[in-house]
Amino acid sequence: SQTIHQWPATLVQPVGSPLSLECTVEGTSNPNLYWYRQAAGRGLQLLFYSVGIGQISSEVPQNLSASRPQDRQFILSSKKLLLSDSGFYLCAWRSMAWNTEAFFGQGTRLTVV
Amino acid sequence: AQSVTQLDSHVSVSEGTPVLLRCNYSSSYSPSLFWYVQHPNKGLQLLLKYTSAATLVKGINGFEAEFKKSETSFHLTKPSAHMSDAAEYFCVGPAGNKLTFGGGTRVLVKP
Repeated sequence: SQTIHQWPATLVQPVGSPLSLECTVEGTSNPNLYWYRQAAGRGLQLLFYSVGIGQISSEVPQNLSASRPQDRQFILSSKKLLLSDSGFYLCAWRSMAWNTEAFFGQGTRLTVV
Repeated sequence: AQSVTQLDSHVSVSEGTPVLLRCNYSSSYSPSLFWYVQHPNKGLQLLLKYTSAATLVKGINGFEAEFKKSETSFHLTKPSAHMSDAAEYFCVGPAGNKLTFGGGTRVLVKP
């Protein structure tokens, strides 16, 4: 069966420090991969998605970047964190088949101080 | 493009009473639709999915949803709420390579 791993679960980082969040998927090949952010009391905002290795689509101009160095690995990064980067970050994967559901990781609570 | 609207941002029910969460969709074709639940500081968990088969879909934890094309609705129901159902619920539809989310409904369950 397929599983998705996302870490760390919580992170407290100072303003101006770098960020790296990692997400890996097991049990499937060629997944679509996604990074979402959820601000407190808000819905999900799509940050990046990827349909293949090295293919990244950015949805929102911001202080973050994403990379997909391997088929089942998706990394969210920042060179210098801002206070506004605080939030709950979720990784997800979907099959490339038409009209399929997504499966989500357990999320990372990022607090920038 | 498909859009999804959840009609209630908050729903409050008493334990043991029915739960109804409303979702309308807008699509020019017969869509797939999904309901997810999110507990605090957790990821989204798939409750159930409609994929153009049976219009009444049964999911986990006693939830079910009925796809009604004539009403463009996909409402989520549960006959008897449990305290553990307190969470946020999202109605979601696929949109090409992406997903479109409803705004979410926060469910409060009173003892």
